[in-house]
Amino acid sequence: AQTVTQSQPEMSVQEAETVTLSCTYDTSESDYYLFWYKQPPSRQMILVIRQEAYKQQNATENRFSVNFQKAAKSFSLKISDSQLGDAAMYFCATGSYQLTFGKGTKLSVIP
Amino acid sequence: DTEVTQTPKHLVMGMTNKKSLKCEQHMGHRAMYWYKQKAKKPPELMFVYSYEKLSINESVPSRFSPECPNSSLLNLHLHALQPEDSALYLCASSPVAGDYEQYFGPGTRLTVT
Repeated sequence: AQTVTQSQPEMSVQEAETVTLSCTYDTSESDYYLFWYKQPPSRQMILVIRQEAYKQQNATENRFSVNFQKAAKSFSLKISDSQLGDAAMYFCATGSYQLTFGKGTKLSVIP
Repeated sequence: DTEVTQTPKHLVMGMTNKKSLKCEQHMGHRAMYWYKQKAKKPPELMFVYSYEKLSINESVPSRFSPECPNSSLLNLHLHALQPEDSALYLCASSPVAGDYEQYFGPGTRLTVT
């Protein structure tokens, strides 16, 4: 069984600034993946970034990067140079056969 | 083509109606999923199909009936739904069922009256 906890229901960031979204998880799997998904209002859920647990190097995708602390079971998402289009609900997830999602963090970007 | 399509985008149905939701992908993925998402909540898994066979049914009521006619197509047949079934229904696919990212469709917004 897996659990995913996102402790920040809402966050806001000034445009062009940096923000970090927190996620902790628990899993009994020895090998697993972690994901951050973004869901803009009334729009499609899209994958932002993924991390393989066996890799020590933190994943990056352009302005998005993660801080993966395996021992602490922590998987935070850093968004640099925030843009208005980054405003969305962000879900942290893990799983093998089926994804377990956190409750989400609603990110607002202030112009 | 990295797209999962879903039709219809919106659906309003009465409690006695029968309707179907459709999901399609042409990425060669062999795992397909149905999720239910209520407002401001994360998606909840309903069904998983792996190689066109139902592999997970998360104790979903029988008024929801999934079908996978081929590797590209996934249907969800709806019958005698309740108002509390109103939600966004998301379809997703992945290369195989397992530790791979899932690609989501835009969803069908279902309202049961």
